[in-house]
Amino acid sequence: DQQVKQNSPSLSVQEGRISILNCDYTNSMFDYFLWYKKYPAEGPTFLISISSIKDKNEDGRFTVFLNKSAKHLSLHIVPSQPGDSAVYFCAAIKSFGNEKLTFGTGTRLTIIP
Amino acid sequence: KAGVTQTPRYLIKTRGQQVTLSCSPISGHRSVSWYQQTPGQGLQFLFEYFSETQRNKGNFPGRFSGRQFSNSRSEMNVSTLELGDSALYLCASSLGGRVPYEQYFGPGTRLTVT
Repeated sequence: DQQVKQNSPSLSVQEGRISILNCDYTNSMFDYFLWYKKYPAEGPTFLISISSIKDKNEDGRFTVFLNKSAKHLSLHIVPSQPGDSAVYFCAAIKSFGNEKLTFGTGTRLTIIP
Repeated sequence: KAGVTQTPRYLIKTRGQQVTLSCSPISGHRSVSWYQQTPGQGLQFLFEYFSETQRNKGNFPGRFSGRQFSNSRSEMNVSTLELGDSALYLCASSLGGRVPYEQYFGPGTRLTVT
């Protein structure tokens, strides 16, 4: 049972344009969400997170939007740069209790120069 | 501050053998989680250790086991290896269940079973 889903395995975006990566979740108990970026031969690196008490969080070129009613979050990268080419994972957690992070299957983003 | 380290980085084993992977977390982090990554499957959670105790466990067979030492270093063991165990095994450390929940990953151990 995939509780966190990234339905687009891959995405190609022109350099300088906006990249939008999507993530859906089914467990309404999740209340904290994170995005990770992974380059080949490296472990994932934390990018940005958002608590369910917010609907938007910004950090430089990266913005995460959360739509709790739709159980949907998205990561916007503006402007996209070649170094953004990587696999992006979204993850979710229930913040109460000793719960584990649940990851999506990832979206491979390719930025076209 | 040094990051998460994993040893070895690459490993080739034969079916039926066993393997032990090691993870050293970031200093001060008490939680270590292990994940298996295979193409198309994302990161599948194996287990989490916090203060030497297994706190969470994923849906993997009993051939997969782990432990954590008093210095928070962790080991993962896979016995009776199968071809399907070929994967990238990642460990991640964190403060342990409190905001921030961010986990910091090591580079992984690439296990190939032949």
